[in-house]
Amino acid sequence: AQRVTQPEKLLSVFKGAPVELKCNYSYSGSPELFWYVQYSRQRLQLLLRHISRESIKGFTADLNKGETSFHLKKPFAQEEDSAMYYCALSSGNTGKLIFGQGTTLQVKP
Amino acid sequence: DAGVIQSPRHEVTEMGQEVTLRCKPISGHNSLFWYRQTMMRGLELLIYFNNNVPIDDSGMPEDRFSAKMPNASFSTLKIQPSEPRDSAVYFCASSRDRERNSPLHFGNGTRLTVT
Repeated sequence: AQRVTQPEKLLSVFKGAPVELKCNYSYSGSPELFWYVQYSRQRLQLLLRHISRESIKGFTADLNKGETSFHLKKPFAQEEDSAMYYCALSSGNTGKLIFGQGTTLQVKP
Repeated sequence: DAGVIQSPRHEVTEMGQEVTLRCKPISGHNSLFWYRQTMMRGLELLIYFNNNVPIDDSGMPEDRFSAKMPNASFSTLKIQPSEPRDSAVYFCASSRDRERNSPLHFGNGTRLTVT
């Protein structure tokens, strides 16, 4: 079964601290993984995708097939990073995404 | 491009009433998705369409829920009769499925409150 697990509902850190938002997946094929972000009063939007291997707003995520993980990391959190973060798994060519439960990141000053 | 457009932004209704949520996908996108967001369950996929055809409706919770896509530029999600537990934010999203890994573009959502 395809599943995405984000074990933390809330992650609270101080500004400048490192951040790691955990994501584990279950998928029988070759996974395509994404991170989406929802800032306050804004629509859900794509943050990054594993296939791009890029850093967006200082965030990176590495696909670890051995551990079936796709954790989102940032070395120094900023207050403007406070948002809801969703890890998602793509199923097939139609773009259907299965989302995790989401983690709220709270960066305190 | 105005992006995915959903209406209404907020809907408050009484238990038992019919509720209709509307979505206009981005022009040229041929996949459309309806998601429900709650604190307890996060984002759940309810149903998705490809080229106006429903492909997977396994996420639709009950027969009270139905969705249609009469043409490439419009879709509706209907709840009849509505119940308090249906209260959630309902998101519509679209994508261009010919591009592998193409991102989903989400609307602003409809916040539904059933009293």
